[in-house]
Amino acid sequence: EIVMTQSPATLSVSPGERATLSCRASQSVSSNLAWYQQKLGQAPRLLIYGASTRATGIPARFSGSGSGTEFTLTISSLQSEDFAVYYCQQYNNFPYTFGQGTKLEIK
Amino acid sequence: QVTLKESGPALVKPTQTLTLTCTFFGFSLTTSGMRVSWIRQPPGKALEWLARIDWDDNKFYSTSLKTRLTISKDTSRNQVVLTMTNMDPVDTGTYYCARIRDGSGSLDYWGQGTLVTVSS
Repeated sequence: EIVMTQSPATLSVSPGERATLSCRASQSVSSNLAWYQQKLGQAPRLLIYGASTRATGIPARFSGSGSGTEFTLTISSLQSEDFAVYYCQQYNNFPYTFGQGTKLEIK
Repeated sequence: QVTLKESGPALVKPTQTLTLTCTFFGFSLTTSGMRVSWIRQPPGKALEWLARIDWDDNKFYSTSLKTRLTISKDTSRNQVVLTMTNMDPVDTGTYYCARIRDGSGSLDYWGQGTLVTVSS
């Protein structure tokens, strides 16, 4: 089973600043990686698939990069609605696996 | 418009079998490439993928839970059913169903989730 490790566990950033979230896979997942945003009490929302492709309706301030074992989600200029928990997920191998999440909080 | 909604008991007793139903609209599991997954989330914890069923009835399961899980579909009702046997309090959490984006393994549409508590 592929283990997905996200860092940091909590990230404190001021509105308007850039946030960089990391996700590492225990073995290569090629570009078969997705990022999700989850707000309290809500279902997750797909942000990025294929490591770097924004899902429908996702603002351009969200970008994904990486391949193999190292991935990054960047939010270029944080808006108030972006403070949430973010998860990465690999779908290169079964079982699919998620990271433990990064909580993005207001500094 | 694609929507999914989970339904099932809010409370189950330890050792019982949980049956959850995902009812969806806006796509069909008879269409080539369509897939649906179940995911769960214990309170305050991370997401855990459970199972997937495909349009051609291929099925895939979590390694750690596969002996307890069964996923099935009823295409005439646009439903996917997940059963989990021998429920335990550690199985308490919100259970989601989600559609898998065509040609991918990413989950593009999610239900609102249903909270299941396991307690005697």
